[in-house]
Amino acid sequence: GAVVSQHPSWVICKSGTSVKIECRSLDFQATTMFWYRQFPKQSLMLMATSNEGSKATYEQGVEKDKFLINHASLTLSTLTVTSAHPEDSSFYICSLGLAGTYEQYFGPGTRLTVT
Amino acid sequence: QQQVKQSPQSLIVQKGGISIINCAYENTAFDYFPWYQQFPGKGPALLIAIRPDVSEKKEGRFTISFNKSAKQFSLHIMDSQPGDSATYFCAARYNFNKFYFGSGTKLNVKP
Repeated sequence: GAVVSQHPSWVICKSGTSVKIECRSLDFQATTMFWYRQFPKQSLMLMATSNEGSKATYEQGVEKDKFLINHASLTLSTLTVTSAHPEDSSFYICSLGLAGTYEQYFGPGTRLTVT
Repeated sequence: QQQVKQSPQSLIVQKGGISIINCAYENTAFDYFPWYQQFPGKGPALLIAIRPDVSEKKEGRFTISFNKSAKQFSLHIMDSQPGDSATYFCAARYNFNKFYFGSGTKLNVKP
């Protein structure tokens, strides 16, 4: 399967600041990557689909101006949480799907804590 | 509206026992049903998956049973081990790798 990495694994930031989370595909070129959000003891909720070289597609209810996604290369997608607030504290997970398969591979996640 | 409903929320099983987790869905457009295992602080890892044209799939101690007419599927973990203690999520695929996840089941296997 595919290997997906995320950086950082844990970040603490102050309210009002922005934080960038990186998602890398280490062994496959990913034209599409996905960003999920997971609150403690809850399920994963798809936030947006990241498309290489074009704009991301956001799920209903997700603020695109707050969660900026950039997919500048076939191996890197970034999620920037702008003007973070404590309610943005969550576990952010990216994933990629391999072309020709139904399988989806997840990164290890990034825990964001906004103080 | 929750696309995939999962139960139970938590499960305690003795070592060597069978763990059973159930999921139900409504959307008949779903075409792929994976199960993921997640340990605390880690991303989900694909465990086993099934397509709706198959009624059962077995991989080692893990079995998916799929009932298309009832729109239900379940995960059976045979000979459960303490190392299986984790949170399990069912999911359903729709529209090119868009996945909806169940609410998760926290499994605790007692030694």
